[in-house]
Parts: sequence; C-alpha cells; structure tokens
Amino acid sequence: SYVLTQPPSVSVAPGKTARITCGGNNIGSKSVHWYQQKPGQAPVLVIYYDSDRPSGIPERFSGSNSGNTATLTISRVEAGDEADYYCQVWDSSSDHPVVFGGGTKLTVL
Amino acid sequence: EVQLVETGGGLIQPGGSLRLSCAASGFTVSSNYMSWVRQAPGKGLEWVSVIYSGGSTYYADSVKGRFTISRDNSKNTLYLQMNSLRAEDTAVYYCARGRPFDLWGRGTLVTVSS
Repeated sequence: SYVLTQPPSVSVAPGKTARITCGGNNIGSKSVHWYQQKPGQAPVLVIYYDSDRPSGIPERFSGSNSGNTATLTISRVEAGDEADYYCQVWDSSSDHPVVFGGGTKLTVL
Repeated sequence: EVQLVETGGGLIQPGGSLRLSCAASGFTVSSNYMSWVRQAPGKGLEWVSVIYSGGSTYYADSVKGRFTISRDNSKNTLYLQMNSLRAEDTAVYYCARGRPFDLWGRGTLVTVSS
C-alpha cells in the first residue's frame, strides 16, 4: 500500500519559517491534506487539497505538492504552532483508501 | 452545533469485544464519508475504517476481520464493533467526517489489558 514519509522532528525559531515535508511515490498526482494535533487534543485540518486553507486557519499556513514531495509551510512561526503535524492522502482506487504519514513534531525554539 | 461525540471506550480484556459509538449533530452521517482513526499512546495517527455515503466499507489490514463499521441513520450515529481485541488495539479512537477529515470527535480511550 501507499507510504507517506515525514521527518520525525523539525525545529524553528519564533518568527522564522518552518517547512514540513511529506514524501511519497509521485505524490504530486494525489491530493494531500495536513492536520495539526496539539497534546491531548483531536487533530485539526489546516490544509486540504494540497494548498487550500479551512476557514479560521491563519494565512501563515500554506501548502504545496509536486513530484515526490508535498510541503506544509508555516510562516512567521509562533509558540502556539508547536504541535504534531500529519500529512494524509486518499487513494480511492485502493482497498486501503486512507494513508497517514508518520507525523512530524514541530518544536518552536 | 456541528459536532461528533464518541462513547463506549473502556478497559477490556484481551479477546473481548467492545462497541464504540459516534453520535453526530448538525449534519447527516449517511450523507458523508465517515471514518474511525486511532492513536496508540505516544504514537501517530492510524486509519482504521471508513464507510462511504453509498455504504461501501474498508478496513486497515490490522483490524480486518475483527472490526466492523456501521451506521444507524435513524440515530445519526456511527459505530465500530471491535471483536477479538488485542493489546495492540489500545488507543484513543476518533471518529471523523468527510474527505478530507474536516470534523473530528474528541476521542474515546480503549485499553486492552488483563
């Protein structure tokens, strides 16, 4: 089945830009969704269909997807952005249509 | 208010059964893709099962043959029947709406232990 690979951790200083990658075979041909999860809370959708933002998500959050890598970019990082981030794709042609990446812990220094 | 509320978790012995419920309000379960996603302690998100609006169901290999997803349209509720539970099924179980998952419940903890 399809595999998504994320770095276990990313660290960034406040005010800088964080980039979290999600690798997969020809992932650029799929739609990628991103979730933020803070400790003790349910995940929250922050980017859908590669680069769209749900209402209420700051413009600082953006996404891109091409080739074998999708990227979640967080600009002007704030302390409140510290969380786990997961990428996810749907593969409707598969008997296992939902795939999550392993997650990336974003640490704000 | 649009929300999902999971119930039914608890402590269960290996080999036992449990049924989780996910009550929806503010929208219709049967008109949406509805999924179960779990998270073992300290681990990442793991997709468990999905039921499409048309009724098709799919399962992760780790639960296929042991878990069954269903819905009750009259109660606007999603279910997960879990049989032959194992220690490795210990997790917080979330229900989630849609494709992508635009609405999540707060989760219910299932602990499989003797």
